[in-house]
Amino acid sequence: DAGVIQSPRHEVTEMGQEVTLRCKPISGHDYLFWYRQTMMRGLELLIYFNNNVPIDDSGMPEDRFSAKMPNASFSTLKIQPSEPRDSAVYFCASRRQNNEKLFFGSGTQLSVL
Amino acid sequence: LAKTTQPISMDSYEGQEVNITCSHNNIATNDYITWYQQFPSQGPRFIIQGYKTKVTNEVASLFIPADRKSSTLSLPRVSLSDTAVYYCLVARMDTGRRALTFGSGTRLQVQP
Repeated sequence: DAGVIQSPRHEVTEMGQEVTLRCKPISGHDYLFWYRQTMMRGLELLIYFNNNVPIDDSGMPEDRFSAKMPNASFSTLKIQPSEPRDSAVYFCASRRQNNEKLFFGSGTQLSVL
Repeated sequence: LAKTTQPISMDSYEGQEVNITCSHNNIATNDYITWYQQFPSQGPRFIIQGYKTKVTNEVASLFIPADRKSSTLSLPRVSLSDTAVYYCLVARMDTGRRALTFGSGTRLQVQP
């Protein structure tokens, strides 16, 4: 099993640009999660999906952030327009229904200049 | 909400046993206790989960007293590669966001 796959691994962009982060969950997993990690705020849950449907997006910081899951094997997190304060590591995770174990990807290191 | 409290950091030496305690005074009857490990530049990794008494796997042991108001993650004979941040989570997994909230964790530094 390849695990949760995120791309890109690193992203450097300028303020105002659109950023799209991608995630491929583990096959057969029913839940997908997007987290953001910074030194100041730690790991924050942004949004999660169950069977491709967004369940809780209360952690999405602003309207500049949006997430989609068009099918069971792909999800995107988009920031438009990006700002320097969005600089962080963004993690995607997935898990099976009725199994508490979360599997995380390697993350995307985002730097907004 | 079962808030958790862990030490911010701990230091140890190779070969020693390390015990990291997590306090969760408001744990609910159906809550489980789950520990994750995070290495630099990686996502957190599930280590162990338990409900009461003792759980052991190939990586660690988890000790939970009868009142369940705390739990202790035990790492036997640590090595340099155990240097990481360790997170304690308390909730039932079907309680949504509450179950998915990570605290500040404990930063373990293992010295040679």
